[in-house]
Amino acid sequence: DADVTQTPRNRITKTGKRIMLECSQTKGHDRMYWYRQDPGLGLRLIYYSFDVKDINKGEISDGYSVSRQAQAKFSLSLESAIPNQTALYFCATSDLNRAGANVLTFGAGSRLTVL
Amino acid sequence: GENVEQHPSTLSVQEGDSAVIKCTYSDSASNYFPWYKQELGKGPQLIIDIRSNVGEKKDQRIAVTLNKTAKHFSLHITETQPEDSAVYFCAASRTDSSYKLIFGSGTRLLVRP
Repeated sequence: DADVTQTPRNRITKTGKRIMLECSQTKGHDRMYWYRQDPGLGLRLIYYSFDVKDINKGEISDGYSVSRQAQAKFSLSLESAIPNQTALYFCATSDLNRAGANVLTFGAGSRLTVL
Repeated sequence: GENVEQHPSTLSVQEGDSAVIKCTYSDSASNYFPWYKQELGKGPQLIIDIRSNVGEKKDQRIAVTLNKTAKHFSLHITETQPEDSAVYFCAASRTDSSYKLIFGSGTRLLVRP
């Protein structure tokens, strides 16, 4: 089983619909993240969480919300999807390595298309 | 805030040749520079990283160099193999906020057999 599991892997929806992307991890990490990947723009941070009671906005949080239901679960919601939210979404977890660097472990991604 | 620019956006090399991907960053306080590799249908995976107190780091066929003065860092892959074909992302952050990685736009590397 993957360390970081995202569901669904692919989703097509219509403008105005509510969408939830779910993420669960077996790494035992406290830190979890949601990133968005667009061609030519790299990965941009949407939200991050250091523990169940800690939620922080990233670079591009407008139009998104998150919920940290448990240490292992972090979901991303689009309350009213719009076409420019069509993208590949990644969940990630992290821990500090022995050198003190924050190393990210990514899920396989959720491709969202908003028509 | 930090801005990371990455070049080229695509790179095609013959198997066995070397590949170099370059990044520049804007925040002089950034001191942690990882590189992630994303294979088709998968999430990115850390392949090598460097801190600002080191000028170069090697791991088998890959190496990263850092020029703090010019705010440049580069990924070097020698003796490229078809399995090196992937999208590569550079990133930068301050170690006191290393969770806030700023990624470059990515380089699609194709290694021709």
